[in-house]
Amino acid sequence: AQSVTQLDSQVPVFEEAPVELRCNYSSSVSVYLFWYVQYPNQGLQLLLKYLSGSTLVKGINGFEAEFNKSQTSFHLRKPSVHISDTAEYFCAVSVPTSGAGSYQLTFGKGTKLSVIP
Amino acid sequence: EAGVTQFPSHSVIEKGQTVTLRCDPISGHDNLYWYRRVMGKEIKFLLHFVKESKQDESGMPNNRFLAERTGGTYSTLKVQPAELEDSGVYFCASRRASSGNTIYFGEGSWLTVV
Repeated sequence: AQSVTQLDSQVPVFEEAPVELRCNYSSSVSVYLFWYVQYPNQGLQLLLKYLSGSTLVKGINGFEAEFNKSQTSFHLRKPSVHISDTAEYFCAVSVPTSGAGSYQLTFGKGTKLSVIP
Repeated sequence: EAGVTQFPSHSVIEKGQTVTLRCDPISGHDNLYWYRRVMGKEIKFLLHFVKESKQDESGMPNNRFLAERTGGTYSTLKVQPAELEDSGVYFCASRRASSGNTIYFGEGSWLTVV
């Protein structure tokens, strides 16, 4: 079974400052990694994903994440945040399967990012 | 292309009543998932349909929950009878198998049981 740990439940940061949201996972097999974002009163939106290849993944809205296999981490970063980045961010993993595989996601508890003007 | 749509967006019902949540996946998506987030907890997998068949229902909490996907199109999730601990956000998501492994989520149905 897989598990995901998001170490920070809340992260306040000033506008235009950099931010890093931490995510660690546990799995006995290789995994796919995802970051989703939930803006206030909206659904979950995919920010970025790591499937294979380059360990640095770029997503929407200027976010990027780096897969570190040795540390089993997939931290999310943005060099300069904006007020509109205020949202809850979820790290998730799924196990690659073939055929009609489930691809079900295992989520972390989420990190609420608050951008302060 | 329309996204995953869910109805109702919000529902308040009394303990013991029945609620039915509906999900319309993205057109052409054969895989449909239900997830739930109870207050303060993580988002948890409930079940997975491939077309009209239940592929994996290991996350369904108990037999008060019944999911169907008639004709492999839209899906319903019925809670009967509802209990206080069923309150939370129910997310539906879909994926097209031929397009890879990205799962697209709806905006969720917020259920409050009082």
